[in-house]
Amino acid sequence: DTGVSQDPRHKITKRGQNVTFRCDPISEHNRLYWYRQTLGQGPEFLTYFQNEAQLEKSRLLSDRFSAERPKGSFSTLEIQRTEQGDSAMYLCASSTGTGGSYEKLFFGSGTQLSVL
Amino acid sequence: GNSVTQMEGPVTLSEEAFLTINCTYTATGYPSLFWYVQYPGEGLQLLLKATKADDKGSNKGFEATYRKETTSFHLEKGSVQVSDSAVYFCALTPPGNTPLVFGKGTRLSVIA
Repeated sequence: DTGVSQDPRHKITKRGQNVTFRCDPISEHNRLYWYRQTLGQGPEFLTYFQNEAQLEKSRLLSDRFSAERPKGSFSTLEIQRTEQGDSAMYLCASSTGTGGSYEKLFFGSGTQLSVL
Repeated sequence: GNSVTQMEGPVTLSEEAFLTINCTYTATGYPSLFWYVQYPGEGLQLLLKATKADDKGSNKGFEATYRKETTSFHLEKGSVQVSDSAVYFCALTPPGNTPLVFGKGTRLSVIA
C-alpha cells in the first residue's frame, strides 16, 4: 500500500492557461474523490468516481473544471482558462467504496496551484 | 443542507493540558461523524469516527461522542503532546453514502 499519490505537488501557472493534475489512488480502491481546499477553509467536495463512472459532478465549480477516470484507476482533474481564484490546494482521496456512509477516505498530500 | 461548524482557531496549549475542540453539525437524517487530522506537510488522515447516536470514537488518546440531542461531536484529549500539533477537521457523511462534508478546521499548537 503506497498511499494516494498526487502529481505535481506544486503548480504555478499564468492566468488563462490550462492545467491538469493527476491522482493515483490506492490500488483496488473503487472510489476516487476530488476536493479543493483554500487557506483557512476545510476541504470542499468537487466530484467523485465509482470505478470509471463519475457519480457526482454538479459540485464542480464551473464548466472550466472537468475530471476523468478513464480506466477506473488513476484520475485527472483539468482546469481550463485558469483564474486567480482557482489558486488552492487540490486534494484527491480514495476509498474501497464498500463501507457505506462511514467508510474511511485516504487522502493524498495534494497539488498546490498558484495562478499568477 | 448538511454542514459542520467547529470552533475557530488557532488553539495554543501547553503540553499535558486538556483539549476540547467543539464541533456541531446540521444534517438530514442521522449522519456518520468523523474527525480527520492534518499534520504539517502530510495529507488528511482519519483520527476517529462514530456512526450512530451515543457512539464514542477513540484513537491515540483522543475521544469524541456522538450526541444527537445537541447535534455535537466534540473532540477531547486529556493530555496533549507537542506531536499533536496539527489541523483538526470535523466532518460528516449524510445517509445515502454521499461524500464527506468538512468543517473549516481548527489549528492546534502544543508548546513544550
